[in-house]
Amino acid sequence: SQQGEEDPQALSIQEGENATMNCSYKTSINNLQWYRQNSGRGLVHLILIRSNEREKHSGRLRVTLDTSKKSSSLLITASRAADTASYFCATDAVQYFTGNQFYFGTGTSLTVIP
Amino acid sequence: EAGVVQSPRYKIIEKKQPVAFWCNPISGHNTLYWYLQNLGQGPELLIRYENEEAVDDSQLPKDRFSAERLKGVDSTLKIQPAELGDSAVYLCASSPGRGGTEAFFGQGTRLTVV
Repeated sequence: SQQGEEDPQALSIQEGENATMNCSYKTSINNLQWYRQNSGRGLVHLILIRSNEREKHSGRLRVTLDTSKKSSSLLITASRAADTASYFCATDAVQYFTGNQFYFGTGTSLTVIP
Repeated sequence: EAGVVQSPRYKIIEKKQPVAFWCNPISGHNTLYWYLQNLGQGPELLIRYENEEAVDDSQLPKDRFSAERLKGVDSTLKIQPAELGDSAVYLCASSPGRGGTEAFFGQGTRLTVV
C-alpha cells in the first residue's frame, strides 16, 4: 500500500508560473524525498528533506516539511515546458529492524503549457 | 558511471506463462528495490534487498512472484504463472545503503499480459 498522497492529482499551468503540489503521509519518517517521472521513463530524484529540517531549496525547487501535520509541499518556480512530468513524494519510513524503506505517493501530474 | 540497468524494456506474454525481469544496480549499492507501478499510480514496493538478504518482502505475492539477488549484485524478479492483472511497469532501484540516501531508478520493464 502507498504511504503518501499527493494533491492535486493533476495541475495545468502556463510557462513561467509557479507550481505547488502537496504531499501528506501517515507514519513517522526519517526523511521525505521528491521524484520526477517523465512519461514512460524511470523516476529521477529531485530533492531530499530530513525530518529535522523545515525548508530546503535546490535551484527552482523549494520543499517544505511539517512533521506535526505529516505534510510536505514542493514549489517549482518559473516553470518551463520541460517540467511537464509526474511528481511523487516518497517517505523514508523508520523500520527499526529492517532499515529504511521508500514509500511513494499517488503522484501529481503537472502540465506546463508553453 | 552507468545507472541502474533493467531488461527487457518491454515484454508481452500470454497469461499463465512465466516471465522474468533482470536488474543490474549501480556498482557498490547495497540496497536494491523492486517496485510495481500501475498506470497513473505511484510505485509500490514489492521487495527490498540489503546485499543478498531480502529484508522486506511483505508486499510480494509469494504464490506467483519470486525474486533473488545472487552475490548481492544483480537481481531477478520472476512471475509464474502470469495473470492479466500483472500488466504493469516493474521498476528496479538501488541506493548506497541505509538511511538518508536517494534511490536511483532504472527505466523499468513494461509487462503486458494478454
